[in-house]
Amino acid sequence: DTAVSQTPKYLVTQMGNDKSIKCEQNLGHDTMYWYKQDSKKFLKIMFSYNNKELIINETVPNRFSPKSPDKAHLNLHINSLELGDSAVYFCASSPRGQGGGNTIYFGEGSWLTVV
Amino acid sequence: GQQLNQSPQSMFIQEGEDVSMNCTSSSIFNTWLWYKQEPGEGPVLLIALYKAGELTSNGRLTAQFGITRKDSFLNISASIPSDVGIYFCGAGGTSYGKLTFGQGTILTVHP
Repeated sequence: DTAVSQTPKYLVTQMGNDKSIKCEQNLGHDTMYWYKQDSKKFLKIMFSYNNKELIINETVPNRFSPKSPDKAHLNLHINSLELGDSAVYFCASSPRGQGGGNTIYFGEGSWLTVV
Repeated sequence: GQQLNQSPQSMFIQEGEDVSMNCTSSSIFNTWLWYKQEPGEGPVLLIALYKAGELTSNGRLTAQFGITRKDSFLNISASIPSDVGIYFCGAGGTSYGKLTFGQGTILTVHP
């Protein structure tokens, strides 16, 4: 299936731990993103990468470090997890072309709970 | 920062009714998109709009990119129970992929 896929879907971890969320897209898109959805369902961009290069970093704490080994993968590593990091994290990608850069396709989400 | 005002926040309707929701902004955008999110899933793209005035349909869904480039609406005709979910508008400018989202409209359809 062509899609944006991310793992794990659910993650429960203790404060202070370090965790990673992996993301892969087989849509052939050049640009990938991490978005965060809070408890009020508000969606906000965290990072975007174009062909492995960081292009958007939205004042996210430096405990969050994205890594893009190639243009089909964008992983998110989080150090020293805090209670406030509990949220749903969505990986996404977009193609080039008119408006294409803004046509975002989301993965199914990773539900992170920090206890 | 930029914000989108999406309304209504929630709707409770009977199956078969038509639904209308909209998003407005004080800023101009180049792209308007509408997504649907179901529980435990990611937002799924319904309609993407790229030109001011553009009117696009996807089955029972119709969306328009406002002439002022500051608003968009989504209509759903003849609603069915599987239309239940949260509908989000998103808008993008020249910083590709940096979408601003509305607060979402929670749609409940009673059979």
